[in-house]
Amino acid sequence: SQTIHQWPATLVQPVGSPLSLECTVEGTSNPNLYWYRQAAGRGLQLLFYSVGIGQISSEVPQNLSASRPQDRQFILSSKKLLLSDSGFYLCACLDTGELFFGEGSRLTVL
Amino acid sequence: GQNIDQPTEMTATEGAIVQINCTYQTSGFNGLFWYQQHAGEAPTFLSYNVLDGLEEKGRFSSFLSRSKGYSYLLLKELQMKDSASYLCAVRAREGANNLFFGTGTRLTVIP
Repeated sequence: SQTIHQWPATLVQPVGSPLSLECTVEGTSNPNLYWYRQAAGRGLQLLFYSVGIGQISSEVPQNLSASRPQDRQFILSSKKLLLSDSGFYLCACLDTGELFFGEGSRLTVL
Repeated sequence: GQNIDQPTEMTATEGAIVQINCTYQTSGFNGLFWYQQHAGEAPTFLSYNVLDGLEEKGRFSSFLSRSKGYSYLLLKELQMKDSASYLCAVRAREGANNLFFGTGTRLTVIP
């Protein structure tokens, strides 16, 4: 079965600073990978998905970008964070029809 | 586009039964999922329905009616640890089988 690792688990960043969240997946190959964001009191919003290396699709226009340099690595980035980027970021992997989530990264932008 | 609705909050008593409803309108349908999410944690998978009818798994059951765009999650013999948010998600045929989530229902179980 697959395992999803996300880091860092928690971070506090000032407005305008860069961001890099990393996600790696074990136990599966060529997975569909996803980045979701959950703002306080709101549902999970799909940000990006990837069906393979170098293939990124964005669901909503925003201040963030994603990259997939390796089959089981998915990175979420920003060059300049905004206050509205605060939230709980979840990496997910689609395996045998089911979506599995990493532990999440809680970002607070001050 | 996708539109998924569920109640924001519910309260139920320990030992009782609670039903959490979810209605959806999506451009293409390829299955409906229920997830449980405790505060500060990642969602965990509960159930999956792709055909009409009831799927039972222990104390949890999920029902789907595709013609009505409707699902419910039924929790029996409620325990205090069942206090959590319950997320309804629909898998669309577009994209990479993306899952689109409702805002979740926060369930509080009281003694």
